[in-house]
Amino acid sequence: SQQGEEDPQALSIQEGENATMNCSYKTSINNLQWYRQNSGRGLVHLILIRSNEREKHSGRLRVTLDTSKKSSSLLITASRAADTASYFCAFRYGGSNYKLTFGKGTLLTVNP
Amino acid sequence: GAVVSQHPSRVICKSGTSVKIECRSLDFQATTMFWYRQFPKQSLMLMATSNEGSKATYEQGVEKDKFLINHASLTLSTLTVTSAHPEDSSFYICSANPYPGRTNEKLFFGSGTQLSVL
Repeated sequence: SQQGEEDPQALSIQEGENATMNCSYKTSINNLQWYRQNSGRGLVHLILIRSNEREKHSGRLRVTLDTSKKSSSLLITASRAADTASYFCAFRYGGSNYKLTFGKGTLLTVNP
Repeated sequence: GAVVSQHPSRVICKSGTSVKIECRSLDFQATTMFWYRQFPKQSLMLMATSNEGSKATYEQGVEKDKFLINHASLTLSTLTVTSAHPEDSSFYICSANPYPGRTNEKLFFGSGTQLSVL
């Protein structure tokens, strides 16, 4: 399977703390994206990092990409209870023509 | 941002009936839409790629006759679960790319349909 791996599978933290989630993939990719999913809802795109980028920021989000290790991390700083959701990395392998492959996801719980 | 509308959000049906799920791009045209399936607390698994005006491309292991996809216009794709059985119970999500010709961009997702087959 080309599906990505994420860790941890579940993460529980207190409001104000930082949350870090990791994602690994298996072969060369065009870009890597992170999505958020609230329970029973669709996915919302958070951030996209291209294969020639190493780090990207968007608000309280920081994403890194290490193509040599085939891994990425998502850092959410100063977490809030509203950040509670599942977070998925997603990527396109070369030539996959739009098709996104998703990681297994991390369930983040931020306790007030 | 681009909006993808999915309907219904929840459906309960008896075993053996067929269920149609609609996915609409509200403010853009989508030549390609994607249908995913998600089991509880699991990731999304791509079922098929829906192509406007042509046959859908199904992923390995997905039954074409079971999951009928029609993409008759640039703003509407439908997924019909035929002769549904309890094992078809799942969360189905569609997505679309609002950037024609740009294959590496983000996708926009519908809000999903929870199918429960009794």
